[in-house]
Amino acid sequence: AQSVTQLGSHVSVSEGALVLLRCNYSSSVPPYLFWYVQYPNQGLQLLLKYTTGATLVKGINGFEAEFKKSETSFHLTKPSAHMSDAAEYFCAVSGNNNDMRFGAGTRLTVKP
Amino acid sequence: GAVVSQHPSRVICKSGTSVKIECRSLDFQATTMFWYRQFPKQSLMLMATSNEGSKATYEQGVEKDKFLINHASLTLSTLTVTSAHPEDSSFYICSARYPSSGNTIYFGEGSWLTVV
Repeated sequence: AQSVTQLGSHVSVSEGALVLLRCNYSSSVPPYLFWYVQYPNQGLQLLLKYTTGATLVKGINGFEAEFKKSETSFHLTKPSAHMSDAAEYFCAVSGNNNDMRFGAGTRLTVKP
Repeated sequence: GAVVSQHPSRVICKSGTSVKIECRSLDFQATTMFWYRQFPKQSLMLMATSNEGSKATYEQGVEKDKFLINHASLTLSTLTVTSAHPEDSSFYICSARYPSSGNTIYFGEGSWLTVV
């Protein structure tokens, strides 16, 4: 079974500041890990994913995440926040059967 | 990325009626599709996994007779909410597994259901 814990339901940063959204996972099999972004009243857009190989994964919009097996973490970062980054972010994990389990979500607010 | 489309994006129905939501993979064949439900300001809850040509697998606590899922083709899955009640009002999102892209899962735009 897989599960995800996102630390911090709400993160607020200033424009231009570092964005760090935390995600820890639990999985009985080698996990596939994902970050999705959701804008109000919309579906989910894939930011990035980790399956195998390089543990530092680069995604769209300048986001990246690093898979750390020893820490069971997959934190999402962006060096410089932009106003358009304000949204809800979901970390997700899937196993062999691809049923994806989501974290509770983190709402990112970007202050001017 | 691959495109998954949901229709309708918003629907209002009367209590006691049934409503169908469609999920289509527009540019790939999806042997597996997933249906989620999302309450306001909450995360997505997996309702069921839908495999083409077979019965859907429902998560614990999801009423399969109330939420009918059909995956009749490799590009279409439907969710029918039967005898809808106001508490069924929610945001329903489907997703589809894209085999040719490392099994990446792509999501539809979601469908808002309001039962009055």
